[in-house]
Amino acid sequence: EVQLVESGGGLVQPGRSLRLSCAASGFTFDDYAMHWVRQAPGKGLEWVSGISWNSGSIGYADSVKGRFTISRDNAKNSLYLQMNSLRAEDTALYHCAKDRGPTVTRAHFDYWGQGTQVTVSS
Amino acid sequence: DIQMTQSPSSLSASVGDRVTITCRASQSISSYLNWYQQKPGKAPKLLINAASSLQSGVPSRFSGSGSGTDFTLTISSLQPEDFATYYCQQSYNPPWTFGQGTKVEIK
Repeated sequence: EVQLVESGGGLVQPGRSLRLSCAASGFTFDDYAMHWVRQAPGKGLEWVSGISWNSGSIGYADSVKGRFTISRDNAKNSLYLQMNSLRAEDTALYHCAKDRGPTVTRAHFDYWGQGTQVTVSS
Repeated sequence: DIQMTQSPSSLSASVGDRVTITCRASQSISSYLNWYQQKPGKAPKLLINAASSLQSGVPSRFSGSGSGTDFTLTISSLQPEDFATYYCQQSYNPPWTFGQGTKVEIK
């Protein structure tokens, strides 16, 4: 059974940093691209970032480019999101999502974690 | 960026009704269109990819169609467990964008 479990969220002041983690199990992690997708309270889904199976290709939404960094450790079956210079508008539930394929082209998400809440407020 | 627009934003329907949700892309995306279902407090679930390919385990009452800019998700006979919010998502060009969602409520 595929499982994606996010952690690392919390309440943080504007301008500060946070690192999210996603622990994956139930599939061959290094065969697939992975993504972060967020959902602001009461709002829809917004793709944040994606990383290919070998970290060779990475993409970001314009809203986080230059502030967030995605990475993965295939030996640990883990995905990460380093979030710097956080803003109030980054407040959301952050989901880790598995891609159906190994690359970040034609991205679509066949398994999702329950998410970790990030709240940016002073 | 490719804008995805769903209609309606919400609808009320009864068990057994046929329900159709529309998704329109701001430019042609061929058949690179996916549909997700999200229930309150739960993670989204992939229902259909490539406009019409049903995911394993998804009931056959769900179907998708369309290509280019106009797509539809149809539930042929609405069941109690289908009350949820549905999102379309384009996988043609990054950034990968979603529609704003369609909430299907009980009449």
